[in-house]
Amino acid sequence: AQTVTQSQPEMSVQEAETVTLSCTYDTSENNYYLFWYKQPPSRQMILVIRQEAYKQQNATENRFSVNFQKAAKSFSLKISDSQLGDTAMYFCAFNMGGSNYKLTFGKGTLLTVNP
Amino acid sequence: GAVVSQHPSWVICKSGTSVKIECRSLDFQATTMFWYRQFPKQSLMLMATSNEGSKATYEQGVEKDKFLINHASLTLSTLTVTSAHPEDSSFYICSAPRGGVGWDEQFFGPGTRLTVL
Repeated sequence: AQTVTQSQPEMSVQEAETVTLSCTYDTSENNYYLFWYKQPPSRQMILVIRQEAYKQQNATENRFSVNFQKAAKSFSLKISDSQLGDTAMYFCAFNMGGSNYKLTFGKGTLLTVNP
Repeated sequence: GAVVSQHPSWVICKSGTSVKIECRSLDFQATTMFWYRQFPKQSLMLMATSNEGSKATYEQGVEKDKFLINHASLTLSTLTVTSAHPEDSSFYICSAPRGGVGWDEQFFGPGTRLTVL
């Protein structure tokens, strides 16, 4: 079974600064997909960024980028130029792809951006 | 992006009654939908996979007779909490993947807050 571990229950950052959220996972599969989801106080889950395991290039989406280290099974999220609206729970998630859409989530990291 | 709705957004019921929660994909068809439960400050816990035209697949430890799932059409899945008790109070979220590729983005509903008195 796949597991996803987020070792930082809470983090804080000053507005405009950069913060990195950690995620490690465990799987015996070679092909899979990794995601970061954001859950703001409204509790609506929002996809932040995704990465295909077979792609070596790290995914980027505007201020969000990942550091994907397949051998180390690590998938960290970097948020640059943090904004107040980035305050949210961030969940790292994994799925095996193919016809299996099932997501396995980490426990989450509560990020607070301070003015 | 695609939209998934849930109804109701919140519900309060008395212990022993049943509550139905609807999940609809508004602008795409979803042969598969997922139901999650989330306690305060915790992660999403997958309860079951809802499959259009067939029985739902429940995760280990989830009571099938208590959490009834019906995927009546390609745009609607319902979760019925039967004989609800205070311990069933939680935030319930559904999601639906769009498209036939495994990693396609999953779209989440806004959630339903259930309070059982």
